[in-house]
Amino acid sequence: GAVVSQHPSRVICKSGTSVKIECRSLDFQATTMFWYRQFPKKSLMLMATSNEGSKATYEQGVEKDKFLINHASLTLSTLTVTSAHPEDSSFYICSALGHTDTQYFGPGTRLTVL
Amino acid sequence: DAKTTQPNSMESNEEEPVHLPCNHSTISGTDYIHWYRQLPSQGPEYVIHGLTSNVNNRMASLAIAEDRKSSTLILHRATLRDAAVYYCILKQGGSEKLVFGKGMKLTVNP
Repeated sequence: GAVVSQHPSRVICKSGTSVKIECRSLDFQATTMFWYRQFPKKSLMLMATSNEGSKATYEQGVEKDKFLINHASLTLSTLTVTSAHPEDSSFYICSALGHTDTQYFGPGTRLTVL
Repeated sequence: DAKTTQPNSMESNEEEPVHLPCNHSTISGTDYIHWYRQLPSQGPEYVIHGLTSNVNNRMASLAIAEDRKSSTLILHRATLRDAAVYYCILKQGGSEKLVFGKGMKLTVNP
């Protein structure tokens, strides 16, 4: 149980375009989801906390207008990287908070901005 | 957030037990000790967590020192699939956030 999926698994886009990443909890409902970013050989950095039906809470230094988060249902949160640039290329990972206060992570989305 | 200290890396042999240490000398009374691991190019995977007492599950055991200033994740019989970066994280009681440190890379030799 406690499976989280992400789509797409990898995406390549041109500089200046926007990219949407979906995160779904497949077999449980998640009021709270999280978005992380991970650069090569680095650890995960929390970007924002997404709560169903309310605005996301962003970590310090993360631009909310650039990384749009929508958590419209108890099983889906989306992250849109707007006007992507090469420096936004990274591994984006979501997680969903389970009922035992455990975070269950998605497989990640590799974004490459040309 | 209270900090944890782990070795950068460890090596083990397949089918042998592995003890992964973690120091957290500034742990507070409400901090839970969580362990996650991450295989290459994948999202992290929950391993185990505990507060004061030792914990066992199908994946591993967690031994927590009496003063809670250190803990050890025990893999009873390492397999090649256990090769990953292991993160020891202190999670504040009442907080939903996980703050990942550098973690420790475990290599399992056949």
